[in-house]
Amino acid sequence: DGGITQSPKYLFRKEGQNVTLSCEQNLNHDAMYWYRQDPGQGLRLIYYSQIVNDFQKGDIAEGYSVSREKKESFPLTVTSAQKNPTAFYLCASSPGHWTEAFFGQGTRLTVV
Amino acid sequence: AQKVTQAQTEISVVEKEDVTLDCVYETRDTTYYLFWYKQPPSGELVFLIRRNSFDEQNEISGRYSWNFQKSTSSFNFTITASQVVDSAVYFCALSETVNQAGTALIFGKGTTLSVSS
Repeated sequence: DGGITQSPKYLFRKEGQNVTLSCEQNLNHDAMYWYRQDPGQGLRLIYYSQIVNDFQKGDIAEGYSVSREKKESFPLTVTSAQKNPTAFYLCASSPGHWTEAFFGQGTRLTVV
Repeated sequence: AQKVTQAQTEISVVEKEDVTLDCVYETRDTTYYLFWYKQPPSGELVFLIRRNSFDEQNEISGRYSWNFQKSTSSFNFTITASQVVDSAVYFCALSETVNQAGTALIFGKGTTLSVSS
């Protein structure tokens, strides 16, 4: 089935560790996005990528890094520089400008 | 700056009641798109509708309807005869030009709808 797959669904991290969240899509979409969701805050844009080997910072990029080596994949690394990483992370893709974004099922990250 | 405001944080209704979720937006773009998404307890966002800035016709899809009024910068969503399965968080979103190459969605903070039987 076509769609966006995020893994893992739940992730626990010790303070000071980097962790990488996986996002894969088989929709042949050019654009991919990472959003962070906190209770009562809606979704905030972390990073986005319009094409392979190119990505841009969103509103809250500090403490995060991404790569886009393949069209299908857009992994997000939460680094130790991110002071409050506990949140729900959603990956999305879209086929072009002005179109709706399709979302994965999300990864819930908890710092322990 | 572009912004989406959903003033209603939580709404509770009883089954079969009609309910309207409000969305007000700000943008300097002349061309833009508005969206509504539903987030059930499972967490995945489900796309409901996309509306462009040049089309102010109201749209109806089953029990769902949308009212777009450019004059008041609003894009409200009404559920008629609500059902328990409608319980979810609903997000309104606005397309934003992020660079010369593309767009991204900016979201409101969401409205949590609870429908009781």
